[in-house]
Amino acid sequence: NAGVTQTPKFRILKIGQSMTLQCTQDMNHNYMYWYRQDPGMGLKLIYYSVGAGITDKGEVPNGYNVSRSTTEDFPLRLELAAPSQTSVYFCASTAVGEQYFGPGTRLTVT
Amino acid sequence: EDQVTQSPEALRLQEGESSSLNCSYTVSGLRGLFWYRQDPGKGPEFLFTLYSAGEEKEKERLKATLTKKESFLHITAPKPEDSATYLCAVPFQAAGNKLTFGGGTRVLVKP
Repeated sequence: NAGVTQTPKFRILKIGQSMTLQCTQDMNHNYMYWYRQDPGMGLKLIYYSVGAGITDKGEVPNGYNVSRSTTEDFPLRLELAAPSQTSVYFCASTAVGEQYFGPGTRLTVT
Repeated sequence: EDQVTQSPEALRLQEGESSSLNCSYTVSGLRGLFWYRQDPGKGPEFLFTLYSAGEEKEKERLKATLTKKESFLHITAPKPEDSATYLCAVPFQAAGNKLTFGGGTRVLVKP
């Protein structure tokens, strides 16, 4: 099992550009999550999904969109990137209880 | 509002110097408390789940304990490889598997 994989590992965007962060899990988990982590801080939930076709907002959803067309994939879309979106983004999944995290995508918006 | 607070923010230890990290929470009807370890540049790695007051879990030099208001992560005789950020998290009250994370404690163990 690869667990939770994320691509890309690093990305630099210019202000106003768009991109999609990819997340895939091979554990057949229903629940998937996107978090952002700013330097020296904990994790803040952006969006989550309880199953294919079902998504909902977390604490900090503004500027982001998600979709969940399959159990395995949960991409995060950034439209019109802003410097405030500079952060490390983590995807996670769970069946129940503890969540399993991917390695993260480090995004810089300049 | 569900809240999770970790202290201290940072901890510098000499190798072999035992210490404890604190995670306090204000969530009614606790449905589990999770501890994670995060190394620089990596995603959090699951350590323990605790469900009820009085419960303890151990893994190598780490022991997690739980009361009705807080959890402690005890590091006994730490080694440099125990250096990491330790995060605790609790499920949101009304939302199933969503977690609220504390800000973390950065632990540095010097040889």
